[in-house]
Amino acid sequence: GQNIDQPTEMTATEGAIVQINCTYQTSGFNGLFWYQQHAGEAPTFLSYNVLDGLEEKGRFSSFLSRSKGYSYLLLKELQMKDSASYLCAVRVVSTNAGKSTFGDGTTLTVKP
Amino acid sequence: GAVVSQHPSWVICKSGTSVKIECRSLDFQATTMFWYRQFPKQSLMLMATSNEGSKATYEQGVEKDKFLINHASLTLSTLTVTSAHPEDSSFYICSARDLGQGDTDTQYFGPGTRLTVL
Repeated sequence: GQNIDQPTEMTATEGAIVQINCTYQTSGFNGLFWYQQHAGEAPTFLSYNVLDGLEEKGRFSSFLSRSKGYSYLLLKELQMKDSASYLCAVRVVSTNAGKSTFGDGTTLTVKP
Repeated sequence: GAVVSQHPSWVICKSGTSVKIECRSLDFQATTMFWYRQFPKQSLMLMATSNEGSKATYEQGVEKDKFLINHASLTLSTLTVTSAHPEDSSFYICSARDLGQGDTDTQYFGPGTRLTVL
């Protein structure tokens, strides 16, 4: 199976930058996703990395190092609405349609 | 972007009854849909993979006779919780793969269904 680790909670200040790390151990790696989930709602897609490097999309960026089994999600210019849970998910190559396994999520609290 | 809907958004039922949850991809075709369950303050746990035109693939520990999955078309999958009990109360979320996104193969999530079994 996959072992995915991410911090349980983080706190940051409005306007600041925060980096949420995710480490994983898996065989047959086939992509890493980041999702945002507000309380009581379904996750929404933020980013996808399958090759090493940084993917930038507006205020959010995601980085992947396959050799290190490591990814991070970088949130810039934090806003209060960014308070949410951030889920790291790893997909593996399999006969089962490439299912993803989710980490436990990092609850980010943005303070004024 | 791709939109996935779920119905109902919430349901309350008596113990022993069955509940059907629908998952629809509204603007794309999804040969594969995934069903997850999420308990409070926990992450998503994959229950099963629903494949159009074939039997679903269940994760270890998930009772296939209790959680019936039917993927009747490229835009609809249903999850039926049979003989529901209070411990089945949870947030059930479906997702669908949009193969039109190429290598990204992104999963788009429905809004979830909150099931409460009394």
